[in-house]
Amino acid sequence: SQTIHQWPATLVQPVGSPLSLECTVEGTSNPNLYWYRQAAGRGLQLLFYSVGIGQISSEVPQNLSASRPQDRQFILSSKKLLLSDSGFYLCAWSVGRVYTGELFFGEGSRLTVL
Amino acid sequence: RKEVEQDPGPFNVPEGATVAFNCTYSNSASQSFFWYRQDCRKEPKLLMSVYSSGNEDGRFTAQLNRASQYISLLIRDSKLSDSATYLCVVKESNYQLIWGAGTKLIIKP
Repeated sequence: SQTIHQWPATLVQPVGSPLSLECTVEGTSNPNLYWYRQAAGRGLQLLFYSVGIGQISSEVPQNLSASRPQDRQFILSSKKLLLSDSGFYLCAWSVGRVYTGELFFGEGSRLTVL
Repeated sequence: RKEVEQDPGPFNVPEGATVAFNCTYSNSASQSFFWYRQDCRKEPKLLMSVYSSGNEDGRFTAQLNRASQYISLLIRDSKLSDSATYLCVVKESNYQLIWGAGTKLIIKP
């Protein structure tokens, strides 16, 4: 069966520090991968998606970046965090296009920037 | 700007009651709609898709009203375990889903 894991689960970082969140998927090949952010009281916001190794599409301008060095690995990074980067970050995968609308999410990473 | 709007709640409902909540969407061209469930501090999980003719899955019924641009979720015989936040989702493209902020439901014994 397919599984998705992301880490770390929780982190507290000072403003201006770097960030690296990692996500891996097991049990499937060539998944579409996504990074979402969920701020308090707001809907999930798509940050990046990837349809293959090295292919990254950005949905919103920001100081974050994403990379996909391997088929089932997706990394979210920042060189310098801002206060506004605080939130709940979710990695997700889907099979092919989001035709069914079903995304499978990791457990999430809760980031607090101080 | 395409939006999905939900009443944030919370809806406080006694166990065994029926509860319904709606979600409105702004893009009349939207074709696919979904309800996700998110437990406190957990990841969202797909509850059900919403079909044009309406659909039912056990105690859950989803309806789509294209003319008024809203979808609804009805929960019958509510259980304590139904307590969660329910997220309305509209598909805008093959890679883009627009998410509502969610409606919080609290089932009380």
